[in-house]
Amino acid sequence: QKEVEQNSGPLSVPEGAIASLNCTYSDRGSQSFFWYRQYSGKSPELIMFIYSNGDKEDGRFTAQLNKASQYVSLLIRDSQPSDSATYLCAVNPHKLIFGTGTLLAVQP
Amino acid sequence: EAQVTQNPRYLITVTGKKLTVTCSQNMNHEYMSWYRQDPGLGLRQIYYSMNVEVTDKGDVPEGYKVSRKEKRNFPLILESPSPNQTSLYFCASSLSTKDWQYFGPGTRLTVT
Repeated sequence: QKEVEQNSGPLSVPEGAIASLNCTYSDRGSQSFFWYRQYSGKSPELIMFIYSNGDKEDGRFTAQLNKASQYVSLLIRDSQPSDSATYLCAVNPHKLIFGTGTLLAVQP
Repeated sequence: EAQVTQNPRYLITVTGKKLTVTCSQNMNHEYMSWYRQDPGLGLRQIYYSMNVEVTDKGDVPEGYKVSRKEKRNFPLILESPSPNQTSLYFCASSLSTKDWQYFGPGTRLTVT
């Protein structure tokens, strides 16, 4: 079992829809969770972090964490074509471990 | 502006020719790390450093060396590059191991 698992996609959603990106992790000792966005050929950039169970909202983005289920998700409301990118989930049990990413394609 | 810089951004070299990729951060971060990113494999950590003169192996350290003589700099050294080291390399830094990491712009290396 991979330490951090994401569906590679592509996840295709129409413009204006909600995109839901999911991530599961194996280490129950994980304390911090991050979502990065990476455009093709560019470096990852942090868009959300969450430390506690529940939801955390920032603009159009909502991160959701369920430690009991070892599950973290990212919702993007009102998806825009500019949101098309690979989204990396990262989990920190003792060091940052990245998933392989989900490719999101927002169709105009 | 807070940033992580890497040089060069693009490099094409030949097998066996030693090279160094520089990394510098201006945020006074203690933790620095090198990753390589390959299609389908995601980001894999090569080496990391918790502070000056403190470095340790990541998940894929073979064929690489690092040093941390100053807090702001963390160069990646390939003593004898091979074609399987062709990849996109990222340097990253953070306040500590628990915090999110800031990434440099990346170095695309091709070894022929």
